[in-house]
Amino acid sequence: DTGVSQNPRHKITKRGQNVTFRCDPISEHNRLYWYRQTLGQGPEFLTYFQNEAQLEKSRLLSDRFSAERPKGSFSTLEIQRTEQGDSAMYLCASSLAGGFATEAFFGQGTRLTVV
Amino acid sequence: TQLLEQSPQFLSIQEGENLTVYCNSSSVFSSLQWYRQEPGEGPVLLVTVVTGGEVKKLKRLTFQFGDARKDSSLHITAAQPGDTGLYLCAANFGNEKLTFGTGTRLTIIP
Repeated sequence: DTGVSQNPRHKITKRGQNVTFRCDPISEHNRLYWYRQTLGQGPEFLTYFQNEAQLEKSRLLSDRFSAERPKGSFSTLEIQRTEQGDSAMYLCASSLAGGFATEAFFGQGTRLTVV
Repeated sequence: TQLLEQSPQFLSIQEGENLTVYCNSSSVFSSLQWYRQEPGEGPVLLVTVVTGGEVKKLKRLTFQFGDARKDSSLHITAAQPGDTGLYLCAANFGNEKLTFGTGTRLTIIP
């Protein structure tokens, strides 16, 4: 399978715990995006990388959130001191810079439930 | 703030009927994508449109990009139960990220 891969698919955590999600993009794609989606809404942009550089962060991304893409390949999204409001589907997507428009291909997502 | 509005928000029709879903903005977009998402899964890219007035067809789905590049529509002919899902439009407003619409939840009743 050469699509975008996200792990884990589901995560249940207690409020106050830290969680980390991983995204493996399509191998030749140099852009990687993180989005968050709550029930009944469209995905909301969180941040994106071009290679290993984090080029934009949404104001939705509080200080408790940090994303990395250390070698320009896979990325991790960490949420510290989770809150119930963090419960959502976290989606990763990748695209090719300079490619046809901004065609982003999504992974299956990580569903986070904070109890 | 660039916003995308989709209408209708919910649509439930009988198998075999036709339907149209709309995506509108007050700002010009450089490109627009339509995605379909099933529960518990990530969005799947259906089509990308970049030229004002462009029309693309994908089997029973017809996508149109408005001349002014501020709107798009998705028309489904002879809807089937397998078309059920959340349809999302996503626009590029000249920056590197996609801004998504609120989505249209489509249910096709057999």
